Amino acid sequence: GENVEQHPSTLSVQEGDSAVIKCTYSDSASNYFPWYKQELGKGPQLIIDIRSNVGEKKDQRIAVTLNKTAKHFSLHITETQPEDSAVYFCAAKKGNNRLAFGKGNQVVVIP
Amino acid sequence: DTGVSQNPRHKITKRGQNVTFRCDPISEHNRLYWYRQTLGQGPEFLTYFQNEAQLEKSRLLSDRFSAERPKGSFSTLEIQRTEQGDSAMYLCASSSEGGTEAFFGQGTRLTVV
Repeated sequence: GENVEQHPSTLSVQEGDSAVIKCTYSDSASNYFPWYKQELGKGPQLIIDIRSNVGEKKDQRIAVTLNKTAKHFSLHITETQPEDSAVYFCAAKKGNNRLAFGKGNQVVVIP
Repeated sequence: DTGVSQNPRHKITKRGQNVTFRCDPISEHNRLYWYRQTLGQGPEFLTYFQNEAQLEKSRLLSDRFSAERPKGSFSTLEIQRTEQGDSAMYLCASSSEGGTEAFFGQGTRLTVV
């Protein structure tokens, strides 16, 4: 089955700087790649996603890039704010299959 | 409709007891997923329904676990004879048919003592 890995496990950034989290996946047939944000005690919240026919997608301060050849995709957060502090999960799926998640990245924004 | 709803939010039970959790998906979504999340890990797939049909079950879903979605709307997840290793956050998600986006509820935190 699909195997998704995230790096780094923890990322600390100064407020206002950019944060980048990278994920790799194993199944070249995967075609949908969402990112979720999870705050303490809450369920994961979908923040952005990308399909395999697109290389980049942007929504305000967040963007996702996909490199199908290398089988990796990245989340970019610009102008980080304290409320961006959370655990971020990447996931991958193909067709109607269920999502396979990475282990998560703890992002800490230092005021 | 404000999203996926899960009840209860927290459950503490003694080892050996049975527990049941409920998930109400987004009303127009016919796909419903159960995941389990332990501390420091990503969500792990347990099972998936399309309408009332249970289409896939993970090997994580031992015979002590059973899930139902009798009318294709809400779903229940029951754990019989709970063990301490069952302590986790149980997450429910839903999506529309043909849709790829899955939306999660707030989860049920189970603690087995």
